[in-house]
Amino acid sequence: DGGITQSPKYLFRKEGQNVTLSCEQNLNHDAMYWYRQDPGQGLRLIYYSQIVNDFQKGDIAEGYSVSREKKESFPLTVTSAQKNPTAFYLCASRTGRFTGELFFGEGSRLTVL
Amino acid sequence: SQQGEEDPQALSIQEGENATMNCSYKTSINNLQWYRQNSGRGLVHLILIRSNEREKHSGRLRVTLDTSKKSSSLLITASRAADTASYFCATDEVDAGGTSYGKLTFGQGTILTVHP
Repeated sequence: DGGITQSPKYLFRKEGQNVTLSCEQNLNHDAMYWYRQDPGQGLRLIYYSQIVNDFQKGDIAEGYSVSREKKESFPLTVTSAQKNPTAFYLCASRTGRFTGELFFGEGSRLTVL
Repeated sequence: SQQGEEDPQALSIQEGENATMNCSYKTSINNLQWYRQNSGRGLVHLILIRSNEREKHSGRLRVTLDTSKKSSSLLITASRAADTASYFCATDEVDAGGTSYGKLTFGQGTILTVHP
């Protein structure tokens, strides 16, 4: 089946540790996105990428890093510099770089202990 | 910054009633989209309306867009208990020349509860 796979679904981390969230898509989409969602809140854009080896900061990029070495993969690293990393993280992709609907993964819930 | 602001934040109705949610945004856009999210899940795309369109229908969904007021509304007719979810609007921003950034930003969402 075509789609977006995020892993792990649940992740616990100690303060001061970096953690990497995986996002893989087999839809042959050019553009990929990472969003953060806090309880009862909307989605805030962390990073997005419209083409391999290129990405742009979103509205809340501080404390996060990404790479886009392959078209199908867009991993997100939550670094120790992120002051409040506990949240629900959503990855999405779309065919068009500048338009079109987003297809979402099922999310990764990160809890910092 | 959040581009879209949904109104109301929460809406509770009975099955069979219509539900209307509103979204306002701040910048120029080339399209506006509506998504649905069941609790703890990823979002699902519902409908996209382009900046040169005023109204669009899809099944029980009706979306309007007023670019002069920078606002949109989503109407769900004859609601069902299964429509219970959070609904978000999202906008594709463009610069002053109409060029898209490829940046899709979301509003805070409306939580819809439909009682059987």
